[in-house]
Amino acid sequence: DVKVTQSSRYLVKRTGEKVFLECVQDMDHENMFWYRQDPGLGLRLIYFSYDVKMKEKGDIPEGYSVSREKKERFSLILESASTNQTSMYLCASSGGGLAGGMDTQYFGPGTRLTVL
Amino acid sequence: SQQGEEDPQALSIQEGENATMNCSYKTSINNLQWYRQNSGRGLVHLILIRSNEREKHSGRLRVTLDTSKKSSSLLITASRAADTASYFCATDPYNQGGKLIFGQGTELSVKP
Repeated sequence: DVKVTQSSRYLVKRTGEKVFLECVQDMDHENMFWYRQDPGLGLRLIYFSYDVKMKEKGDIPEGYSVSREKKERFSLILESASTNQTSMYLCASSGGGLAGGMDTQYFGPGTRLTVL
Repeated sequence: SQQGEEDPQALSIQEGENATMNCSYKTSINNLQWYRQNSGRGLVHLILIRSNEREKHSGRLRVTLDTSKKSSSLLITASRAADTASYFCATDPYNQGGKLIFGQGTELSVKP
């Protein structure tokens, strides 16, 4: 079974702190994704990566950065946390794209981040 | 705007009844996927249907895709209390750089 793990289930940080959210997958997947999920807004893509050291902006990258130094690990960084970044953060991974489309994404359990 | 929009936003049924959720989207797609999310957890993939497929089954799940109407439906037959969750459709649009676009989900409640 594919396993995607996230470093914390719950996290409380203060405004202005630098926050690291870690995600690790064990299936040698090329693609990794970071989403945030908010009530009424669904899942929104923050950043994604197709390969080591590669990153692409998603729909809402402002205030975030990412790092992918190893294939299995994709980190989301909040350079200076703000209260509007309080949210559920979900990491996902997938294998190479299907011929004609994206493959299934496998999600981690999520990190509920509260910024005070 | 969201590519996939689910309807209804919330659905409450009794155990044993069937549940139908719909998803509409705007642009041409490579495939459409359905996911399930239990409260406070990550999403779990249920089924993927490609643009050249019209119907797919997996256990008690039946998914249909109508590309002419840009819509899909997810049917759960003989529902159980354990089916209580949020259900999301996700589309893989052409020329979007391989991103899945998720809808806002349907919250299903199955009462024992």
